[in-house]
Amino acid sequence: NAGVTQTPKFRVLKTGQSMTLLCAQDMNHEYMYWYRQDPGMGLRLIHYSVGEGTTAKGEVPDGYNVSRLKKQNFLLGLESAAPSQTSVYFCASLTAGRGPYEQYFGPGTRLTVT
Amino acid sequence: SQKIEQNSEALNIQEGKTATLTCNYTNYSPAYLQWYRQDPGRGPVFLLLIRENEKEKRKERLKVTFDTTLKQSLFHITASQPADSATYLCAQKSSGDKLTFGTGTRLAVRP
Repeated sequence: NAGVTQTPKFRVLKTGQSMTLLCAQDMNHEYMYWYRQDPGMGLRLIHYSVGEGTTAKGEVPDGYNVSRLKKQNFLLGLESAAPSQTSVYFCASLTAGRGPYEQYFGPGTRLTVT
Repeated sequence: SQKIEQNSEALNIQEGKTATLTCNYTNYSPAYLQWYRQDPGRGPVFLLLIRENEKEKRKERLKVTFDTTLKQSLFHITASQPADSATYLCAQKSSGDKLTFGTGTRLAVRP
């Protein structure tokens, strides 16, 4: 089991460029999440999905879009990158039901927007 | 909205001592609290979950308490080792199956 994987690991974008971050999990988890982590701010939820074909906004969704076309994949898109989106992005997954409730995290993508 | 605070940004202790990290929440009591460990350059890793009707949970050298009166959870690492050095995140269940994370406490254990 690879668990949760994220592609790419690092990326540098210029302001206005677009990109897609890919998250994949092989644990057959229903729920998937995208977070960003900034110094002094902790992990903040961007968007999440409770199942294939569904997405919902989190705490800081502006400037991002997501898609969950397949159960194992959750894509995070930046249509027009801004310097404020410089951050480390983490994907996580969770199995639905009555527990356990632990989220499994990927290794992160470090994004710099210049 | 619900907030969760980890009061100490950093904690330095001597090897062999007990590390105690604090997590405070506001407003309503969450159904459960979780603690995660994060090493530099890596994603968080789940350690322990404690439910609101549990006062204490243990796992090896780790102990978590949940005090709904004080609106606080304490995370203890006994007989600390340099390998315990990491950032520890507290998280509370918010609406649905979402978590709200604290900013973390960076623990450094000196040999």
